[in-house]
Amino acid sequence: GDSVTQMEGPVTLSEEAFLTINCTYTATGYPSLFWYVQYPGEGLQLLLKATKADDKGSNKGFEATYRKETTSFHLEKGSVQVSDSAVYFCALISGTYKYIFGTGTRLKVLA
Amino acid sequence: EAGVAQSPRYKIIEKRQSVAFWCNPISGHATLYWYQQILGQGPKLLIQFQNNGVVDDSQLPKDRFSAERLKGVDSTLKIQPAKLEDSAVYLCASSLVELATEAFFGQGTRLTVV
Repeated sequence: GDSVTQMEGPVTLSEEAFLTINCTYTATGYPSLFWYVQYPGEGLQLLLKATKADDKGSNKGFEATYRKETTSFHLEKGSVQVSDSAVYFCALISGTYKYIFGTGTRLKVLA
Repeated sequence: EAGVAQSPRYKIIEKRQSVAFWCNPISGHATLYWYQQILGQGPKLLIQFQNNGVVDDSQLPKDRFSAERLKGVDSTLKIQPAKLEDSAVYLCASSLVELATEAFFGQGTRLTVV
């Protein structure tokens, strides 16, 4: 079945460091890919998305490129801030019409 | 635009008791999802509605969980009787159409079963 695999956390970085959170997927057909962010005590918010191969999603300095050849959708940010501390979820939606989430990666940014 | 509303925010019950959660999706959103998020894990889909019909309930423990979406708008999720392992955050989400569309999430209901 369809699945999403994320790197385990927590990821601890200093402010202004470069961030990469790896995400790979398994799916039939051509899924749409998403990154959601969850701040403490809040629900999930869409961070960015890509709906076809080679699309790049971007928002708030975060980027991810849909790589069909490697079935990956890695999240990157050039310079993280303390306010980026949260849990990040990679997700896909495929022909079965349901969202499938990874287990989440906790990011902690230190001042 | 108002977001997805859920209530209550928190609930503590004893095992074997029953509990119900309520969700009001964004106006006009045909698709509604209920997810269970156990601490340290990603959200797991329990049930998906398209209007008032069930699209997918394959991971809903039907011996104790039930959900309905009357009139294709609000939805309730019920657990009866609750078990300790049901302790989790229950998230409701809605979207305009099924495929390739952003899902908007509520803040969730944190359930603790003691």
